[in-house]
Amino acid sequence: GAVVSQHPSWVICKSGTSVKIECRSLDFQATTMFWYRQFPKQSLMLMATSNEGSKATYEQGVEKDKFLINHASLTLSTLTVTSAHPEDSSFYICSARGLAGISYEQYFGPGTRLTVT
Amino acid sequence: GESVGLHLPTLSVQEGDNSIINCAYSNSASDYFIWYKQESGKGPQFIIDIRSNMDKRQGQRVTVLLNKTVKHLSLQIAATQPGDSAVYFCAELVPAGTALIFGKGTTLSVSS
Repeated sequence: GAVVSQHPSWVICKSGTSVKIECRSLDFQATTMFWYRQFPKQSLMLMATSNEGSKATYEQGVEKDKFLINHASLTLSTLTVTSAHPEDSSFYICSARGLAGISYEQYFGPGTRLTVT
Repeated sequence: GESVGLHLPTLSVQEGDNSIINCAYSNSASDYFIWYKQESGKGPQFIIDIRSNMDKRQGQRVTVLLNKTVKHLSLQIAATQPGDSAVYFCAELVPAGTALIFGKGTTLSVSS
């Protein structure tokens, strides 16, 4: 089956620093990748949608200059949290949609736990 | 954003019981729905899906029911096991949409 990985699985950083999270589709090419954020005991909230080779589309209320998304290849998307603050501490989950798949097949990664101190 | 609601935030059952988790969606244009299971610290795990042209779909120990008239979705788990303890989310996709939108989730606790 389709596998999506994320790296790192968890990260602790100091306030004011930047953190990069990678999302990879391991056995398929992903034309579209999605980034979600999940706070404790809450649902997954869509942050942005990225298509390979083009700029990401951000959901309302998500700062594009703070959450930089790059989808440089069909197997890799990165999310960089710039100038992180404690309120950015969350569980970040990516998902990917395959190149040849039907439009609604979306495969999720295992998530990255970000803690900002 | 969230477009589903009307759910029980927690559900506690005994091992062996049948569990029913409900979800209501607000967008009548949604044409695809998925139930996910999420264990603590992990990403969502696909359970079962259903298209809007169906009203029932069965998997192994799970059944999804879709009532488009009242915009209601349910997940039935037969013979619930302790390993079924997790948070369950329904997600929907509108025809023109590209990303799945998640509901608020229900925590299922199964006691032995």
